[in-house]
Amino acid sequence: DQQVKQNSPSLSVQEGRISILNCDYTNSMFDYFLWYKKYPAEGPTFLISISSIKDKNEDGRFTVFLNKSAKHLSLHIVPSQPGDSAVYFCAADGNKLVFGAGTILRVKS
Amino acid sequence: DADVTQTPRNRITKTGKRIMLECSQTKGHDRMYWYRQDPGLGLRLIYYSFDVKDINKGEISDGYSVSRQAQAKFSLSLESAIPNQTALYFCATSGFEGSGYTFGSGTRLTVV
Repeated sequence: DQQVKQNSPSLSVQEGRISILNCDYTNSMFDYFLWYKKYPAEGPTFLISISSIKDKNEDGRFTVFLNKSAKHLSLHIVPSQPGDSAVYFCAADGNKLVFGAGTILRVKS
Repeated sequence: DADVTQTPRNRITKTGKRIMLECSQTKGHDRMYWYRQDPGLGLRLIYYSFDVKDINKGEISDGYSVSRQAQAKFSLSLESAIPNQTALYFCATSGFEGSGYTFGSGTRLTVV
């Protein structure tokens, strides 16, 4: 029973365009939602988070949107750069992190 | 120096052997975690500890045990390794809820 789902295993976008990564969750008790980025041979690194009381958080090229009624969040990367190519994990925090399966993002130059 | 250090980085072991993966952190956080990553399954929680005297099972704890030797050290043991424990293992630490986790670089374990 997956509490956090990332239904797109991979996404390919052109450099300079927008990347949109999606995530759905089932437990309405989660307090925070986070996005992590992972390069090969490295551990995941924290990218951006959003509290469950907000609907948007922005940090430079990265924006996370939260739709609580739909139990859905998304990460927007604008503009996408080749260095953004990595695996992106959505995670939900309800005293410990629960991760989605990840989405492989490929940004083509 | 890395905030979270995992040793070894890579390990090949035989079925039935006991193996220990070690983790240490310099963040000064009380909370520590062990996750494993498998293709298509993301990161799944094995065990977690909110302080030295607190140990909790995660969603896939069978076949694993842990020891919290100090605030900074949290080790994961496989008592009798089996091939389906072949995976990438990550240790992490965190402060308060919502502050994000800091992960180690991972241990790639292969059980043959």
